[in-house]
Amino acid sequence: NAGVMQNPRHLVRRRGQEARLRCSPMKGHSHVYWYRQLPEEGLKFMVYLQKENIIDESGMPKERFSAEFPKEGPSILRIQQVVRGDSAAYFCASSTGSKGETQYFGPGTRLLVL
Amino acid sequence: AQSVSQHNHHVILSEAASLELGCNYSYGGTVNLFWYVQYPGQHLQLLLKYFSGDPLVKGIKGFEAEFIKSKFSFNLRKPSVQWSDTAEYFCAVANFGNEKLTFGTGTRLTIIP
Repeated sequence: NAGVMQNPRHLVRRRGQEARLRCSPMKGHSHVYWYRQLPEEGLKFMVYLQKENIIDESGMPKERFSAEFPKEGPSILRIQQVVRGDSAAYFCASSTGSKGETQYFGPGTRLLVL
Repeated sequence: AQSVSQHNHHVILSEAASLELGCNYSYGGTVNLFWYVQYPGQHLQLLLKYFSGDPLVKGIKGFEAEFIKSKFSFNLRKPSVQWSDTAEYFCAVANFGNEKLTFGTGTRLTIIP
């Protein structure tokens, strides 16, 4: 039974390029959460999505960042025109969406912006 | 806004020593509390969680945590650590009815054989 899958595991981009991070939730999970971990910091909530719906995007930077979770396929976190400060580990978690249900985390994508 | 403090950034213990990692949160309403662990090269895994009921929660691998509402704390304990407990430990809090987790900065635990 596969857990939460993220790809790529490592991503290198030059400043100004676009980064696309993918997350496939656990089987049976319809809710996805994205978190970012900057060096020497804890994980910070970015966005919470349900299929075709953004529930809470209070942690998303106002510009350049977007997220989607289409009816079919993985959730995508998209960062346009990346800057060095975007270098971080991006973690995805999924749950069934029931109140208080445990979030299960993926292995993360390490983004390095040169 | 909720905030979570983990005061111990790096803890080094010998095998068989007892462990207590501190976690304090700021928001005083009803909360759900979690401890996650990240072993070297692996992803975050849930150690234990508290939603309601007995404030002493038992988790996997001999870990337990105690919720003390008056102190806004949820400290993690283990009576006798093993080398395999070397990992990073994260405390997380969710305000009741809100699914987003607020994490502490983590505590790196190193166990010396």
